[in-house]
Amino acid sequence: GAGVSQTPSNKVTEKGKYVELRCDPISGHTALYWYRQSLGQGPEFLIYFQGTGAADDSGLPNDRFFAVRPEGSVSTLKIQRTERGDSAVYLCASSSDGNEQFFGPGTRLTVL
Amino acid sequence: GENVGLHLPTLSVQEGDNSIINCAYSNSASDYFIWYKQESGKGPQFIIDIRSNMDKRQGQRVTVLLNKTVKHLSLQIAATQPGDSAVYFCAERNQGEKLIFGQGTELSVKP
Repeated sequence: GAGVSQTPSNKVTEKGKYVELRCDPISGHTALYWYRQSLGQGPEFLIYFQGTGAADDSGLPNDRFFAVRPEGSVSTLKIQRTERGDSAVYLCASSSDGNEQFFGPGTRLTVL
Repeated sequence: GENVGLHLPTLSVQEGDNSIINCAYSNSASDYFIWYKQESGKGPQFIIDIRSNMDKRQGQRVTVLLNKTVKHLSLQIAATQPGDSAVYFCAERNQGEKLIFGQGTELSVKP
């Protein structure tokens, strides 16, 4: 079956611009997670949704970052006024039972 | 500042040998642990998991060992193959649903 998909696969933007990153979880998975991975490091947690609501957003670095999941399926991570330090791979994962998390291929964001 | 030029620990093994990748986790309250494999340009791929009430779990060619006394996790890969070459991450769960990942180890398999 289809896994987690993320679009775009690559995004290049200029400092100060706004970007949206999309995640399509595995069908039927109620839990959805966003992580950020910098070069040479493990993924770092950003936010977790259970259904439509953000159950834990403790990993969002500041108020420029926001995520939504309005219908409990697709999620969008939104970054305002991007900075060069936001450059990373943004990973999305989903889970049916809160245990095994299935990851998508990620979106590589480059802020020039 | 940025960790420019951060290098992952590397393990190099000969094809057919067994590999052991180690991980120290941070929180004694963690109740669930996962090993992920990540190939270049791809997202992490689940390998095996273990709950804190167990000390060993086996899968196909892989075994995870958990030592809660010293907060240590290991992944053993039997008869390592070139396709096993990747970066391996351990992850722990201790607060709700989020996973906390370790630094990662790069496994290189020589044919």
